[in-house]
Amino acid sequence: GAVVSQHPSWVICKSGTSVKIECRSLDFQATTMFWYRQFPKQSLMLMATSNEGSKATYEQGVEKDKFLINHASLTLSTLTVTSAHPEDSSFYICSARGGRDSTDTQYFGPGTRLTVL
Amino acid sequence: GENVEQHPSTLSVQEGDSAVIKCTYSDSASNYFPWYKQELGKGPQLIIDIRSNVGEKKDQRIAVTLNKTAKHFSLHITETQPEDSAVYFCAASIGSYGQNFVFGPGTRLSVLP
Repeated sequence: GAVVSQHPSWVICKSGTSVKIECRSLDFQATTMFWYRQFPKQSLMLMATSNEGSKATYEQGVEKDKFLINHASLTLSTLTVTSAHPEDSSFYICSARGGRDSTDTQYFGPGTRLTVL
Repeated sequence: GENVEQHPSTLSVQEGDSAVIKCTYSDSASNYFPWYKQELGKGPQLIIDIRSNVGEKKDQRIAVTLNKTAKHFSLHITETQPEDSAVYFCAASIGSYGQNFVFGPGTRLSVLP
């Protein structure tokens, strides 16, 4: 099956710093990538949808200036958490799909655990 | 909008027994239903999916059934093994072009040896 990687797998940073997380589709071209946030023992919460070459679409309540998303190529999307604070600590997961239709299969990365001190 | 419910929230079965997880959805326009398995500290992995033109799909010990009239779909795992222990999420597609899934709240499956 299709493989999606994320880097780093975990990161610890000080409050006020920015952190960048990379999401790569390794063996297919990802027209659309998604970024999720997951709290312990909860389901996945969609943060934003990014289509290659377009601005990301953010879900209601997600600050676009705080969570910067760039989808510059068909195999790479990045999420930058700017001026991170302890409440931003969470498990961030990306996913990717080859097409634009919601019925296209979506593949997830392994996740990045962010801890903000 | 679409709403996906999932039951049970936790499920414990003896090794070798079957496990069934059920999901219901509200939007009759949904036509793609994937199931994901998430192990602790890892990202969700697609284990099986079904499209609306099919009523049942099977892959070795895993099967999914879909009842479009009743708007529910189920995951069946037979001959469960300890490595099946994980959180399972169902999802239903929403919209058509450029949109996403709505996920269920998840089911924590424990297979007891």
